[in-house]
Amino acid sequence: AQSVTQPDIHITVSEGASLELRCNYSYGATPYLFWYVQSPGQGLQLLLKYFSGDTLVQGIKGFEAEFKRSQSSFNLRKPSVHWSDAAEYFCAATTGGGTDKLIFGTGTRLQVFP
Amino acid sequence: GAGVSQTPSNKVTEKGKYVELRCDPISGHTALYWYRQSLGQGPEFLIYFQGTGAADDSGLPNDRFFAVRPEGSVSTLKIQRTERGDSAVYLCASSLTGLADTDTQYFGPGTRLTVL
Repeated sequence: AQSVTQPDIHITVSEGASLELRCNYSYGATPYLFWYVQSPGQGLQLLLKYFSGDTLVQGIKGFEAEFKRSQSSFNLRKPSVHWSDAAEYFCAATTGGGTDKLIFGTGTRLQVFP
Repeated sequence: GAGVSQTPSNKVTEKGKYVELRCDPISGHTALYWYRQSLGQGPEFLIYFQGTGAADDSGLPNDRFFAVRPEGSVSTLKIQRTERGDSAVYLCASSLTGLADTDTQYFGPGTRLTVL
């Protein structure tokens, strides 16, 4: 079955430190991949997406993600975290070509210490 | 411009009651999605509309759940005979065309449903 896995439930980093959030997918073919951020009381906001081409994708708020086919991964990175980045982060995937419904991982909660 | 809006933001009901949750998509968006997010989980797909028709309802958990989009804009998710297990945040999203390779799903803030 198609699935998205986020191995880390909770991550804590210091402000200014680098960040990497892990995401692995299980699909028959390479899916379209997304990272969303959810802040308390806010809707899910798209950070970035990968469809094809360059495997390093740049997004909003200084985030980037790298697609690695050999590892079935799409990890999210940020070189220097700000306190405002504290939120829940979701990786998602879809196969496209029809419903385009998103399958989400269980999320990673990011806590940032000053 | 205005984003996706959902009403009510919170709904508390008793077991066995009927509830309706409303979604106002971004104007002009033909694709509309409903997801359900339980505590500590990622959103799970429920149903997808393209225009007025439900193109994919494979995520609806049972026949107590039903959704409509009669004029191709506003959608209502209807839950009959609510159960405590229905308690969750119900999210609505819309996109311009529904094509993932060229489009983006924009999410509303959700409706938190609590069934006592």
